[in-house]
Amino acid sequence: GQQVMQIPQYQHVQEGEDFTTYCNSSTTLSNIQWYKQRPGGHPVFLIQLVKSGEVKKQKRLTFQFGEAKKNSSLHITATQTTDVGTYFCAGPTTSGTYKYIFGTGTRLKVLA
Amino acid sequence: NAGVTQTPKFRVLKTGQSMTLLCAQDMNHEYMYWYRQDPGMGLRLIHYSVGEGTTAKGEVPDGYNVSRLKKQNFLLGLESAAPSQTSVYFCASSYSAGVQPQHFGDGTRLSIL
Repeated sequence: GQQVMQIPQYQHVQEGEDFTTYCNSSTTLSNIQWYKQRPGGHPVFLIQLVKSGEVKKQKRLTFQFGEAKKNSSLHITATQTTDVGTYFCAGPTTSGTYKYIFGTGTRLKVLA
Repeated sequence: NAGVTQTPKFRVLKTGQSMTLLCAQDMNHEYMYWYRQDPGMGLRLIHYSVGEGTTAKGEVPDGYNVSRLKKQNFLLGLESAAPSQTSVYFCASSYSAGVQPQHFGDGTRLSIL
């Protein structure tokens, strides 16, 4: 079946270091979304990418959508303690764009 | 503007008991979703609805039922709770299909003893 995998599963970084999480889909995606979930909280939408090769930036966060639209990445420059949480990617299922399949998530811990 | 509201926030049940989780949204969204989140497994779709009066199965529907009698409400029912249903349940809604973001509620933490 369709799968969306993320690596790494966990990442500990020192404050100020960079961080990258990778999202890989078993199928081509029409778009991909990224969410952040703070510890004990709920997922919050960050951004959506639609075009092949698209790159979007939000302050210290850079999002990329692969040329083949099967992978994506989130890069955080100079992490801060406020970046702590789990980052999920999500793509529409092949059986219908109204359903999304979420990646397994990458949990980020930032050490001050 | 409350967004997506889930009740209750916490609940402990005994095996075999039944309960209903309520999700309410005030954003006039057509699409609503129920997910469960377990450690290391991300979010898995239980059931979803593409409009008032419609429901459909997601990835892990067994043991759950849903209803969407009103556009703003989406109910998730457990008829006979099992320990394997211990999880955090999230409701989400979106304006339409495809490229619309999902708005999540705060979650319901459910333990089945």
